[in-house]
Parts: sequence; structure tokens; C-alpha cells
Amino acid sequence: DTGVSQDPRHKITKRGQNVTFRCDPISEHNRLYWYRQTLGQGPEFLTYFQNEAQLEKSRLLSDRFSAERPKGSFSTLEIQRTEQGDSAMYLCASSFEGMGGNTIYFGEGSWLTVV
Amino acid sequence: AQKVTQAQTEISVVEKEDVTLDCVYETRDTTYYLFWYKQPPSGELVFLIRRNSFDEQNEISGRYSWNFQKSTSSFNFTITASQVVDSAVYFCALSEARNQGGKLIFGQGTELSVKP
Repeated sequence: DTGVSQDPRHKITKRGQNVTFRCDPISEHNRLYWYRQTLGQGPEFLTYFQNEAQLEKSRLLSDRFSAERPKGSFSTLEIQRTEQGDSAMYLCASSFEGMGGNTIYFGEGSWLTVV
Repeated sequence: AQKVTQAQTEISVVEKEDVTLDCVYETRDTTYYLFWYKQPPSGELVFLIRRNSFDEQNEISGRYSWNFQKSTSSFNFTITASQVVDSAVYFCALSEARNQGGKLIFGQGTELSVKP
């Protein structure tokens, strides 16, 4: 399978615990994105990387959230001291930057439930 | 400010009917990109189409067609002869060139239910 893969697909955690999600993009893609989606809403942009550089962060990304892409390949999204409001699906996506814009491909998402 | 509006929250049709999903966008950029994605119950967002702002040609792909009209800032999506497998939530999205195409702004989605 050469699509965007995310792990774990589902995570249930107690409030206050830390969680980490991993994303493996499509291999030749130099851009990687994180989005968050709550029930009944469209995905909301969190952050994106070009290679290993984090180029933009949304205001939605509080200090408890941190994303890394250390070698320009896979990425991790960590949420510290989780709160019930963090319950959502976290979507990773990737694209190849080129002339004329780029097509962004999404993974299947990681569902987080904070209890 | 950039914004995408999908006014239809839910649509229900009977199989073989044609259905059009509306999308209206707002942007101040002259160069931008429009997308449609399908999200089945499994959750994955499936890419359907990308259009840039300089290409107003309508596109047809099998039973799917898209009508892009800059004059009305709309990018509507039509499914011809709908099938039960088309049941999903469909999202329209916008990215602006000034963001280097790096951020998608999504509408709230239209949930399509196709009944047999």
C-alpha cells in the first residue's frame, strides 16, 4: 500500500495522559499536513511541514500540541495533558509541491477519545 | 478572508437519480485551487478532483462532473445515476496560492444518502 498511513487508528486515553500519533506519508511527497476533524464538521488545518521544516501552525495548535518531522519522512503529533475537548479524528495528509499547486492525499485518520 | 460554504447539510436521493452538491467559496487571491473529497463511513478522505482558478473548463469523470464558475464563485459537483456506494460525506475545499497551497479550507460537508 503506497498511501498515507497513520498509527494508531484508534486511541482511548484518560484525561491528563499524553498521546502520540504517527504518520507515514506517500514516499516521494515532501509536504506533510496535520488536520483535526470533529463530528459533523469539516477538517481543520493544524500544521504542515515541507521536508523537515514546520512552515505553518494554526492557532488551534495549543502549547500542548507538538508536531515533528525529524528526517523529512514520517511525522509525529503529540498531545500532552489531554483534555476531553481533544477528542477528534486527527488526519494526516501529504503532497508533492510542484508548479501549479499540489494535490493533497489523506490517510485514514487516527480517532482519539479522551475519557 | 477565505471561506467555503456547502449549504446543503444532508441530501437523500433514490438510486439512479442525479444529484448536485453545491459549493460556494470566498477568497481574495487571484490564484487558488478548489478540491472535492469524499469521506465514506471508514473516515478516509478520498481525493476526487483539483481545479486551479485559471481553468474554468468543466470536467467529467465517469458519473461525476464538476461545474466551476468564477463569476458566481461556485464549484458544484454532480453525480449522475447515483448508486448506493456514493453514500458518503462530500467536502469541498479551497487552498490559496499565497499559502503556497499548503492549507486547505474545508466546507462543512454534505452528507449524501443514496437509497436503493
